[in-house]
Amino acid sequence: SQTIHQWPATLVQPVGSPLSLECTVEGTSNPNLYWYRQAAGRGLQLLFYSVGIGQISSEVPQNLSASRPQDRQFILSSKKLLLSDSGFYLCAWKGQTNQPQHFGDGTRLSIL
Amino acid sequence: AQSVTQPDIHITVSEGASLELRCNYSYGATPYLFWYVQSPGQGLQLLLKYFSGDTLVQGIKGFEAEFKRSQSSFNLRKPSVHWSDAAEYFCAVANTGFQKLVFGTGTRLLVSP
Repeated sequence: SQTIHQWPATLVQPVGSPLSLECTVEGTSNPNLYWYRQAAGRGLQLLFYSVGIGQISSEVPQNLSASRPQDRQFILSSKKLLLSDSGFYLCAWKGQTNQPQHFGDGTRLSIL
Repeated sequence: AQSVTQPDIHITVSEGASLELRCNYSYGATPYLFWYVQSPGQGLQLLLKYFSGDTLVQGIKGFEAEFKRSQSSFNLRKPSVHWSDAAEYFCAVANTGFQKLVFGTGTRLLVSP
């Protein structure tokens, strides 16, 4: 069966520091991959999605970037974190057919 | 463009009572619709999905949802709520091409004893 892993689960970073969040999927190949952010008490905002290695679509202009160096690996990065980058970050995957997205357990990011 | 409206931000239901969470969507063609549940500090779990066919779909944890094209609605129901159902519930519609999901803003369910 397919599984999705996100780490770390919790992260506290100072303003201006870099960021790297990792997401990997097991048990499937060539998945679509997604990064979402959920601010406190808010809905989900799609940040990036990828339909293949090296293919990244950005949904909103921001301080973050994403990369997909391997088929089942999706990385969310920032060179310099802002206070507004705080939130709950969720990774998700789906197969190439018309299937639902499946979510990881998320990373709680706090910026001090 | 597709959109999803969940008009209720919070709903409180007594344990054992029935539940209905509202979802209205905007989409020109036949939509692909989903309900997800999120417990505090957790990721989203898929409850059920509608692609086509029978307009009443059954999901996990005793939930069901009914697709009503005439009302552009996909309401989630449960006949008897348990305290463990307290969570946030998100309705979503897939975009054309099924590359992305458009989520509603969510409804937080509180269950009173």
